[in-house]
Amino acid sequence: DVKVTQSSRYLVKRTGEKVFLECVQDMDHENMFWYRQDPGLGLRLIYFSYDVKMKEKGDIPEGYSVSREKKERFSLILESASTNQTSMYLCASSSRIKGGSYEQYFGPGTRLTVT
Amino acid sequence: DQQVKQNSPSLSVQEGRISILNCDYTNSMFDYFLWYKKYPAEGPTFLISISSIKDKNEDGRFTVFLNKSAKHLSLHIVPSQPGDSAVYFCAASENYGQNFVFGPGTRLSVLP
Repeated sequence: DVKVTQSSRYLVKRTGEKVFLECVQDMDHENMFWYRQDPGLGLRLIYFSYDVKMKEKGDIPEGYSVSREKKERFSLILESASTNQTSMYLCASSSRIKGGSYEQYFGPGTRLTVT
Repeated sequence: DQQVKQNSPSLSVQEGRISILNCDYTNSMFDYFLWYKKYPAEGPTFLISISSIKDKNEDGRFTVFLNKSAKHLSLHIVPSQPGDSAVYFCAASENYGQNFVFGPGTRLSVLP
């Protein structure tokens, strides 16, 4: 079974704090993703990575950065947390499946509240 | 502008009946579609997929239909069970790629 774990299920941080969200996958997947989920908006892609030390911006990268120093670990960093970054954060990794397409496997999510 | 739309935020169905969840997309380059199911406090889990070369895919109680000309897909759950109560996300990608665009989700409630 693919396992994607996230370091915290719930986090409460103050405005202006630097926040680190960690994600680890155990299936040797090349690709990893960070999303945020907000009501009525679905999952929106923040950043993704195709390989170690590689990163690409998603649809909403502003206010975030990422780090991928090891294949199994993908970190999301909020340099200076703001209240509009209160959200559910979901990490995913993906692999190619039968037929050449991809399937993403998600972690349980981190609910971040910025006060 | 949302490229993947799920216009029903919520749906209630009686146990044993059919649940139909709809998804519309605007990007004609999308050629691969997934449905994910999400319970509260858990990450989404893959449910079923369909590629643009097909118009139907079945897996047990779950069937996905794709109408490319209408840019519409639907997920049918028959018979619906209380354990199916969850949020369902439709997702689409181009060139069978790994970057998916997700819809806003539909919350399904199956009533006993």
